[in-house]
Amino acid sequence: DVKVTQSSRYLVKRTGEKVFLECVQDMDHENMFWYRQDPGLGLRLIYFSYDVKMKEKGDIPEGYSVSREKKERFSLILESASTNQTSMYLCASSLFARGVYNEQFFGPGTRLTVL
Amino acid sequence: SQQGEEDPQALSIQEGENATMNCSYKTSINNLQWYRQNSGRGLVHLILIRSNEREKHSGRLRVTLDTSKKSSSLLITASRAADTASYFCATDPIQGAQKLVFGQGTRLTINP
Repeated sequence: DVKVTQSSRYLVKRTGEKVFLECVQDMDHENMFWYRQDPGLGLRLIYFSYDVKMKEKGDIPEGYSVSREKKERFSLILESASTNQTSMYLCASSLFARGVYNEQFFGPGTRLTVL
Repeated sequence: SQQGEEDPQALSIQEGENATMNCSYKTSINNLQWYRQNSGRGLVHLILIRSNEREKHSGRLRVTLDTSKKSSSLLITASRAADTASYFCATDPIQGAQKLVFGQGTRLTINP
């Protein structure tokens, strides 16, 4: 089975702290994604990566950065956490074949609270 | 407005009944996917239907796709309490966004 793991299920940080969210997948997928999910707003794409050291901005990249040094690992970084970044963060991975996106496999999510 | 909009936003039915959820989208797509999310968890892929397919089945799930109307439906037959979850459609647009675009979901509650 495909497995996508996230470093923490719950995280509490203080305003201004630098926060790292880690995501690891074990299926050799090219593509990895970071979303945030908020009530009434659905899933919004923050960043995605289609290869090692490659990254693309999603819909809401402001206040975030990412790192993909190895194929299996995709990190989301909050440079200076703010209260409006309190949210559920979901990581996903997928294959990209013949110009189409296939199913995405999601991690369990990290519920981040910024105080 | 957002590509991939589910309808209704919430649905409550009795166990054993069928549940139907709809998804509308705006641009041409390669495929459309349905996902389930149990409360506080990640999303789980249910089924993918390609743009040249009209209907697909997987167990108690039946998905239809009407590209002329830019709409899809997900039918869950003989619902069970364990089907209680949020259901999302996601589209893979042919042009423009190189990403899946998710709707805001339908919250399904199965009452025992």
